[in-house]
Amino acid sequence: GAGVSQSPSNKVTEKGKDVELRCDPISGHTALYWYRQSLGQGLEFLIYFQGNSAPDKSGLPSDRFSAERTGGSVSTLTIQRTQQEDSAVYLCASSLVSAGGYQETQYFGPGTRLLVL
Amino acid sequence: QKEVEQNSGPLSVPEGAIASLNCTYSDRGSQSFFWYRQYSGKSPELIMFIYSNGDKEDGRFTAQLNKASQYVSLLIRDSQPSDSATYLCAFYSSASKIIFGSGTRLSIRP
Repeated sequence: GAGVSQSPSNKVTEKGKDVELRCDPISGHTALYWYRQSLGQGLEFLIYFQGNSAPDKSGLPSDRFSAERTGGSVSTLTIQRTQQEDSAVYLCASSLVSAGGYQETQYFGPGTRLLVL
Repeated sequence: QKEVEQNSGPLSVPEGAIASLNCTYSDRGSQSFFWYRQYSGKSPELIMFIYSNGDKEDGRFTAQLNKASQYVSLLIRDSQPSDSATYLCAFYSSASKIIFGSGTRLSIRP
């Protein structure tokens, strides 16, 4: 596609429910990133995929959070037993990786606004 | 010490003036540096990237990198009200991990 797409754009859920957020990266981008941004705050790194593998999961805040990527393309971020503090904008970004292994410029999707009541 | 420091602002600049945004980082092994602009309620968009010491100009924007002093700055000439946004600096650390600053809110007053 022309850019990174994310769905849903907005999600309202009740505390304790599970939610699944989807990211479709730019075609050909092998690197994919998930971030979280609370209101008025900076970007909080969650997880990074290179292809289908996740060499860096260091940002996942708890074991309620998981992510997968299949076919080197679409990724899903799952939050189980959501809590009110999970309310935030979840941003996905993708980038190319150079021949030397350097991650290149990240391009962001529009985000999913999650509200946990 | 935080990995990256940005003044949260708000930085208020009159229309037509030069806006100067600064960012310092702690990792001397950092190689690539980026400036993103984020409008309220929108996702970040890339404005500039810089790899080498010195200045890099693109239209009204100039990025400046000083690796010895570990700072990167963004200058916006002839500031316009449409430049009002939060500006995030970011860099790839020596651990091949991108680190974002918390952003500086810029307000251009007419």
